[in-house]
Amino acid sequence: GAGVSQSPSNKVTEKGKDVELRCDPISGHTALYWYRQSLGQGLEFLIYFQGNSAPDKSGLPSDRFSAERTGGSVSTLTIQRTQQEDSAVYLCASKLGRTGTEAFFGQGTRLTVV
Amino acid sequence: QKEVEQNSGPLSVPEGAIASLNCTYSDRGSQSFFWYRQYSGKSPELIMFIYSNGDKEDGRFTAQLNKASQYVSLLIRDSQPSDSATYLCAPGAGGTSYGKLTFGQGTILTVHP
Repeated sequence: GAGVSQSPSNKVTEKGKDVELRCDPISGHTALYWYRQSLGQGLEFLIYFQGNSAPDKSGLPSDRFSAERTGGSVSTLTIQRTQQEDSAVYLCASKLGRTGTEAFFGQGTRLTVV
Repeated sequence: QKEVEQNSGPLSVPEGAIASLNCTYSDRGSQSFFWYRQYSGKSPELIMFIYSNGDKEDGRFTAQLNKASQYVSLLIRDSQPSDSATYLCAPGAGGTSYGKLTFGQGTILTVHP
């Protein structure tokens, strides 16, 4: 596709359920990033991938959060046993692996845990 | 120390004035620096990047970088109400964290007519 695609756009889930958020990056972009943005807050770094490996997953808030990337393309962020504090917009971005290149963002997934 | 620090604002300027947004960063290995703009309810979009000390101008926007002071700024000349948004600073990480992209908390800018 022409841009970064995220699905679903909106997700409402019950507390304690697991959710999967998907990111389809721009074709050829080797770097992929996940961020979380709570209402009125900045972008909280979660994890980034270079190809299929994750050099830095230091931003994952707890072991309930995990992410994978397959084929150097699509990435899935999984949140297990969701809690109300997980409610936020989850943003994915991708870029070419070279330094100084622009990261393009998807439209985000708005997650609401009720 | 936070990796990236910005004044959260809000910064309010009158239409036509110069808006000055500032950012400091902790990673001395950072080589490239990005300024993103985020309108309310939208995703961030790139407006400027800079990787050499000094100034870089693009239309009404000027980015200024001082690596020795670990400081990067964004000036918006002739500010317009349409510039009202949150501005996010993002140094590209260097060294062992090469590739990581961390954003500051963002500065909320309001340009009033």
